[in-house]
Order: sequence, then structure tokens, then C-alpha cells
Amino acid sequence: DTEVTQTPKHLVMGMTNKKSLKCEQHMGHRAMYWYKQKAKKPPELMFVYSYEKLSINESVPSRFSPECPNSSLLNLHLHALQPEDSALYLCASSQDPRETGELFFGEGSRLTVL
Amino acid sequence: AQKVTQAQTEISVVEKEDVTLDCVYETRDTTYYLFWYKQPPSGELVFLIRRNSFDEQNEISGRYSWNFQKSTSSFNFTITASQVVDSAVYFCALRMDSSYKLIFGSGTRLLVRP
Repeated sequence: DTEVTQTPKHLVMGMTNKKSLKCEQHMGHRAMYWYKQKAKKPPELMFVYSYEKLSINESVPSRFSPECPNSSLLNLHLHALQPEDSALYLCASSQDPRETGELFFGEGSRLTVL
Repeated sequence: AQKVTQAQTEISVVEKEDVTLDCVYETRDTTYYLFWYKQPPSGELVFLIRRNSFDEQNEISGRYSWNFQKSTSSFNFTITASQVVDSAVYFCALRMDSSYKLIFGSGTRLLVRP
């Protein structure tokens, strides 16, 4: 079983909806990440949180809004999305953002925008 | 610029065959880290191995083995006596020292037929 838990596993939303993706880890990791993966493509980095502060935003449109309420939780708020935003959204964590150890990934939230 | 190339888009083998997945990387940095991840249909990326640029020792873990050669900038992955459960997409990835970003290859889809 993965130690990074993502909810919901599947989400269908209209372009005017507001929804959120949630991610939780209890490994004591201090870096958390959001990745976006389109079909048959590798994951692409969206955001990095280091010690609950946003460290990297890979020029992601403002309709995606990340939030890190505490060291165990990471949210991705979605608003006014486009059909091309349909993808698998993967959350990951790593022990220390200054280290280059492995990332632990969740199973992802599969988003469909109608 | 940093880049990871996985030239094999898809490989199909019969169970019990050995199979090698190729990975070639590009970087001018002297300190970097290489990874292999497995992505089964469930979506989660499962960490398999991490290697740093100063450790060219090959590694074996059960049926899995990795061959790291800096001279050819390659980090190939061999599965011995493949099994149906090995069917997945396999990603090779590169990370620079003190960088948050994992640079993924395009992935190789492995299908192991009974």
C-alpha cells in the first residue's frame, strides 16, 4: 500500500466548478510535490512545497492553486479548468527538500474536465 | 541542458524471457542522481532504485539489475525471467544535486505475455 494517499481517485467537473484534490502523507517528509501526467506522457512537475512553503511553481496557470495546511497535507484547488487540464494528478513527498532521495508517489487523482 | 531518453516506446516479451530497458541521459553536472520508477495500471509511481553519479557499481535486487555506465551516459535496467506482474510503464529519471526537479524520460511500456 502506498504511504501517500490521494483523494478523490476520480473526479469529473465542469469548467465552472470549483473542486479540490487532497494529498496526505504520514512519513514525516518535509517536501511535497504536485505532478501532472497526461496519457502516455511522463509526469510534469507543477509545484513544490518545502517545509510548508511554496518553493517552486513551474509556471502553472492560476486556475490551479496549491495549499499546504501542515506538513502532512497538500491540497490542489481547481477553478475554471479547461478540458485540456484533464489528466492524472500525482502527489509525491520526499524526506528533506535539500536531499536528493527518492520521491514517494500516491496513486493519483484522475481528473476529467467536461 | 538535462535530458533523459528512453528510446524504446513499447516492449512485448513472453513470460520468463529476460528484458532490458534502455536509458540514456544528458547532463554537464558532475553530481547527479538517476532513478527508475515503475508505474503499474493503478497509476502510482513505485520507486525502484536511486544511483548517484559517483557510484558506478552495478546493482542486483532479486530479478532486477541495473547497469550504470558513465562512459556512455547510460543507466539500463534488466528484468530476468520476466513475469506478467512486471507489465507496467517504466520511467528513468535524472535529478541534479540540490534540485527539486525530477527529469523523466518518456517511459517504456513493458508487456509481459503469459
